[in-house]
Amino acid sequence: SQQGEEDPQALSIQEGENATMNCSYKTSINNLQWYRQNSGRGLVHLILIRSNEREKHSGRLRVTLDTSKKSSSLLITASRAADTASYFCATDSGSGSARQLTFGSGTQLTVLP
Amino acid sequence: GAGVSQSPSNKVTEKGKDVELRCDPISGHTALYWYRQSLGQGLEFLIYFQGNSAPDKSGLPSDRFSAERTGGSVSTLTIQRTQQEDSAVYLCASSLGSYRAHTFGSGTRLTVV
Repeated sequence: SQQGEEDPQALSIQEGENATMNCSYKTSINNLQWYRQNSGRGLVHLILIRSNEREKHSGRLRVTLDTSKKSSSLLITASRAADTASYFCATDSGSGSARQLTFGSGTQLTVLP
Repeated sequence: GAGVSQSPSNKVTEKGKDVELRCDPISGHTALYWYRQSLGQGLEFLIYFQGNSAPDKSGLPSDRFSAERTGGSVSTLTIQRTQQEDSAVYLCASSLGSYRAHTFGSGTRLTVV
């Protein structure tokens, strides 16, 4: 089963609005990462939040992490048409030979001009 | 190089043929990963190389899949006797250390006809 599950699967908003995507996971994590993917090709790393952090900012991006609820959210403020992409969370869990990075199935964000 | 380079970018092959996909990671990145992404889906982990350690092959879907990493740098993913269900985008990523932020290549789109 998926470690990280994004919600919603698809989101459509108007330019200038904020977009919020959520990620839920099942087991304890070392860190959680968010990636962006355009056109079904390579992913671009956006931000990494460690398990002992609760919030992190990078430009128009804000990521929160609630380890008690095993969830994270990615907020994109003042969205632009160029933000249209798929967004994936990836959970780094386990240790030693059992450590793995598991990607969710993504949220497809469409920002309408 | 400046980024992760994958070749070819597109590959169309006949069912039953063998294919080789190449990944050239960022110089100095000790960790290298292969993932597979089917249309509209998340990433499926295939294999992970870390330095000189034995690779984590736990994600390889069948014994038709194999991968090598020569000299701690370039990696080749080989799929023998390709099947139509092997059609997907194959993504390579590298990172400075285990499960740190990944830098992805643009992927190889494999189509088995």
